Amino acid sequence: DAGVIQSPRHEVTEMGQEVTLRCKPISGHDYLFWYRQTMMRGLELLIYFNNNVPIDDSGMPEDRFSAKMPNASFSTLKIQPSEPRDSAVYFCASSFYNGELFFGEGSRLTVL
Amino acid sequence: AQSVTQLGSHVSVSEGALVLLRCNYSSSVPPYLFWYVQYPNQGLQLLLKYTSAATLVKGINGFEAEFKKSETSFHLTKPSAHMSDAAEYFCAVTIYSGNTPLVFGKGTRLSVIA
Repeated sequence: DAGVIQSPRHEVTEMGQEVTLRCKPISGHDYLFWYRQTMMRGLELLIYFNNNVPIDDSGMPEDRFSAKMPNASFSTLKIQPSEPRDSAVYFCASSFYNGELFFGEGSRLTVL
Repeated sequence: AQSVTQLGSHVSVSEGALVLLRCNYSSSVPPYLFWYVQYPNQGLQLLLKYTSAATLVKGINGFEAEFKKSETSFHLTKPSAHMSDAAEYFCAVTIYSGNTPLVFGKGTRLSVIA
């Protein structure tokens, strides 16, 4: 089975633009997590879903950030409008019954 | 709430030397503990996990960790470092009570010197 698939791997955009990051979790996993990694703040949990339902979004930094999971095989993280301080690597991870996390390769976002 | 503290943001060892990466946890109930490794430009991958069975846990690539309740520690060790072990290592904790995600430490960067 393929692992967690994220796209795009790299995104360079200008401040104010909308950014959409995509994630396909491992088939059969019922939990999906979005993390952000920066040098300054390390690995931060932004939001996670259980059976497509958002459980905790307290880590979402601002209203500019939103995440959806319309079905069990797809999730998006959207930033609108983007700002330079949003530059980071965004990871998606999935698990079965909140067990071992399987991470994607990450999406490196640069906002100019 | 659970938390982990990784002592030392950067550890440097010589090739062939012992690797010791420290992790202390805080949890009001018996925890489940994990070590993940992140190679450059990659996602995190599981090294090993403690889930209340044997206190000495063996993982991939020759790593192992020992759960010590009295010391609230879960240090990661490897007898002999290889150049390929250079990476970022993360300790994480959960209590497996359903909707409780892993809580990660800040990470420790391991450098291996030839």
